[in-house]
Amino acid sequence: DAKTTQPNSMESNEEEPVHLPCNHSTISGTDYIHWYRQLPSQGPEYVIHGLTSNVNNRMASLAIAEDRKSSTLILHRATLRDAAVYYCLYDSGAGSYQLTFGKGTKLSVIP
Amino acid sequence: EPEVTQTPSHQVTQMGQEVILRCVPISNHLYFYWYRQILGQKVEFLVSFYNNEISEKSEIFDDQFSVERPDGSNFTLKIRSTKLEDSAMYFCASSPQGAPEKLFFGSGTQLSVL
Repeated sequence: DAKTTQPNSMESNEEEPVHLPCNHSTISGTDYIHWYRQLPSQGPEYVIHGLTSNVNNRMASLAIAEDRKSSTLILHRATLRDAAVYYCLYDSGAGSYQLTFGKGTKLSVIP
Repeated sequence: EPEVTQTPSHQVTQMGQEVILRCVPISNHLYFYWYRQILGQKVEFLVSFYNNEISEKSEIFDDQFSVERPDGSNFTLKIRSTKLEDSAMYFCASSPQGAPEKLFFGSGTQLSVL
């Protein structure tokens, strides 16, 4: 079963920031936190990942709590194209990649 | 941007038949994966493949499943004798290195077993 906890759904207005929370209380010190999203009828798409420090890329920002038991994906300006299911995952970084996807958060963006 | 390509996009087969799902990973990637998603359910890991051998597999990946990289570009998933419960969307993915690098997923092959 999924090792992370996310809200089932969230809504955002277009062009407003969105903060998607995730709890991962059983994470270990070497586990990376990953976020993927899945648009309708498509495969998962990488969004961002991090270990301890906050991370930024062109798609989003990842804010990681100091105790690493939670993180927040930040979309700075939601667009209609950002409507998707967002998955928070973590792995051991041990060299291979057995990601465990949960149910994720379904984000709806309102025009 | 380079893409992972999967063919066919839809595959219909009869129960008990063999199917081969095909994937062309991104050319300079070294790690290859298969995941599946049964309709309305979670994305599930099946297998990872590196250096021409399986590096990890899940409980789902039983003896009915096999993977192969027959040449320098293709990566295939074979289901030897399909069952009704194999009906799912199958996603191929690749990454340039192992974890924690990002995975690039294909658009999937929808397998329907009748």
